[in-house]
Amino acid sequence: EVQLVQSGAEVKKPGESLRISCKVSGYSFTSHWISWVRQMPGKGLEWMGRIDPRDSYTNYSPSFQGHVTISADKSISTVYLQWSSLRASDTAMYYCARLYVLPDPLDYWGQGTLVTVSS
Amino acid sequence: QSALTQPASVSGSPGQSITISCTGTSSDVGSYNYVSWYQQHPGKAPKLMIFDVSDRPSGVSNRFSGSKSGNTASLTISGLQAEDEADYYCSSYTSSSARVFGGGTKLTVL
Repeated sequence: EVQLVQSGAEVKKPGESLRISCKVSGYSFTSHWISWVRQMPGKGLEWMGRIDPRDSYTNYSPSFQGHVTISADKSISTVYLQWSSLRASDTAMYYCARLYVLPDPLDYWGQGTLVTVSS
Repeated sequence: QSALTQPASVSGSPGQSITISCTGTSSDVGSYNYVSWYQQHPGKAPKLMIFDVSDRPSGVSNRFSGSKSGNTASLTISGLQAEDEADYYCSSYTSSSARVFGGGTKLTVL
């Protein structure tokens, strides 16, 4: 069974760093790209970027380029989303999702990680 | 990259059919048959309902169908059921090798 299991909710202060994770199982980790999707409170879905776990090649949405980093660790079948300096506007639910085949669709999703940034 | 345009809300009675539109541009919906639709119930992760404009993943009811004409894609749900009440998002591949989502449509089953 394909599963994407994300790390738990986080509460951080502005300016702090954070890394959240997405551990996959049930398929070959390097066979499918992984995307990250943001959903701000009460708002819609926003594509942040994706990573090819084979070689950690990444694509980012211009809206998120430079503010987040997507990485992968093949040894533990885990993809990460990282911030070096959080802002209050980063408060959102973050989902990882498997890309069935480049470039579409996102066929399996993680349960989401709620990130709250507040002073 | 601007979000794809969807109606904020649609509604229908049980048994009826509804259609949700998704309008993009010649840089996304109009140029690629990589349009997908996602259903999201409150507090849950999105679920893939349609991909490549009109294909259904295994396990998705055939009451859900997709189509595209020009820069506009559509999701049709026939034989509406109470469990279909949810938010629906379209998504498309873009000419900049990115992905863009629609703003989402809230479906109410009356």
